[in-house]
Amino acid sequence: QLQLQEAGPGLVKPSETLSLTCSVSGGSISSGRYYWGWIRQPPGKGLEWIGSIFYTGSAYYGPSLESRVTMSVDASKNQFSLILSSVTATDTAVYFCASQAGDANNWYYFDFWGQGILVSVSS
Amino acid sequence: EIVMTQFPATLSVSPGERATLSCRASQSIDIRLAWYQQKPGQAPRLLIYGASTRATGIPARFSGSGSGTEFTLTISSLQSEDFALYYCQQYDNRPPLTFGGGTKVQIK
Repeated sequence: QLQLQEAGPGLVKPSETLSLTCSVSGGSISSGRYYWGWIRQPPGKGLEWIGSIFYTGSAYYGPSLESRVTMSVDASKNQFSLILSSVTATDTAVYFCASQAGDANNWYYFDFWGQGILVSVSS
Repeated sequence: EIVMTQFPATLSVSPGERATLSCRASQSIDIRLAWYQQKPGQAPRLLIYGASTRATGIPARFSGSGSGTEFTLTISSLQSEDFALYYCQQYDNRPPLTFGGGTKVQIK
């Protein structure tokens, strides 16, 4: 089964850029059987979908963050990444990466999740 | 955007009793619905997809039903490890993907 692991800084200053990577093991990120997603959860709150990307680079983003989000895939490293620009305190959250069953024409549920990484936005 | 509404927000149940959680979509999503369980400090775990199909390794006491806009997750006999937060999520092919606000199942 797939295993996913988030990595990145735990503290980002306001107005700066948050960058996270997700390393995938147990399968190829280029298999064509998954989208690769990012979901976040502010402390004590619910889950928010940030976006999902297919290995071809085709990406979809949530409307509230779309203007600040970029996702990419690095097949050579079996990783995918999240960049969130101009962060504020409201971006403080646990960020999860997850595999999302699917193919080029359909996406489905999130079946495997990373453990999550807490990112705090503070000066 | 499809809005997912879960109710109740909190459900108090005694061990061994049945728990029934509800999830409503603001428009029809056929059976494109998943349920997740989340415990404190952990990532969500997939329980149900396709509204009623249990994910690998999920005990039979968890069952899902519904289609269109109304969905239910039932835990037939609550075990101690089942006290947790539960989220529904729709995966219609039109983004964005959206989650419900969650139901907390706590010990009565």
